[in-house]
Amino acid sequence: QSALTQPASVSGSPGQSITISCTGTSSDVGTYNLVSWYQQHPGKAPKLMIYEVSKRPSGVSDRFSASKSGNTASLTISGLQAEDEADYYCSFGFDRSVVFGGGTKVTVL
Amino acid sequence: EVQLVQSGGEVKKPGESLKISCKGSGYTFTNYWIGWVRQMPGKGLEWMGIIYPGDSDTPYSPSFQGQVTISADKSISTAYLQWSSLKASDTAIYYCVRHNPQSRGWPFDYWGQGTLVTVSS
Repeated sequence: QSALTQPASVSGSPGQSITISCTGTSSDVGTYNLVSWYQQHPGKAPKLMIYEVSKRPSGVSDRFSASKSGNTASLTISGLQAEDEADYYCSFGFDRSVVFGGGTKVTVL
Repeated sequence: EVQLVQSGGEVKKPGESLKISCKGSGYTFTNYWIGWVRQMPGKGLEWMGIIYPGDSDTPYSPSFQGQVTISADKSISTAYLQWSSLKASDTAIYYCVRHNPQSRGWPFDYWGQGTLVTVSS
């Protein structure tokens, strides 16, 4: 599997919505609904936010939603809050292998 | 409560060996995959490999195959990540992670607190 491409940074003001993209290929993201998203605050372990493209684990705020179109998966944060400032990583897992995106730093202005 | 508790930070010299651990609790250890993710200083996440303690099946990332050894002792619900000869480039935080085989796409639903490994002469 090839690496997934994410923008280095995304920013938004409190209350706004932002979207982070995660681009793969027609062989991975484009074919299979196997994308996960993680949030990592500085100095902390990552936290699973989304799995199987759009499913939220129990306890994750519904301000976080995700989808996929073609070879690109997207994570949307609605009603942006200061606590959402963190790094976000997508991953694709298939056939006993996992690849992460390079990560996106979200800044709340 | 599910917990993955990792061993403490290590400072080693190049060429030394090392084994770090991750103890799972609050769930049936043999029913879930447990793996390792590397994060080099200021960098992103890299999947290293994973083990199914129930049968010791251990797929590795091609990038880490032959560089590290992943093992597990199901009698004490503990997984391990081992190096035989460390390099300075192994300096990183290593996270252990759990995967529920009922979820597709290998999402990691629980993470350990991380173990900082520093390799310096």
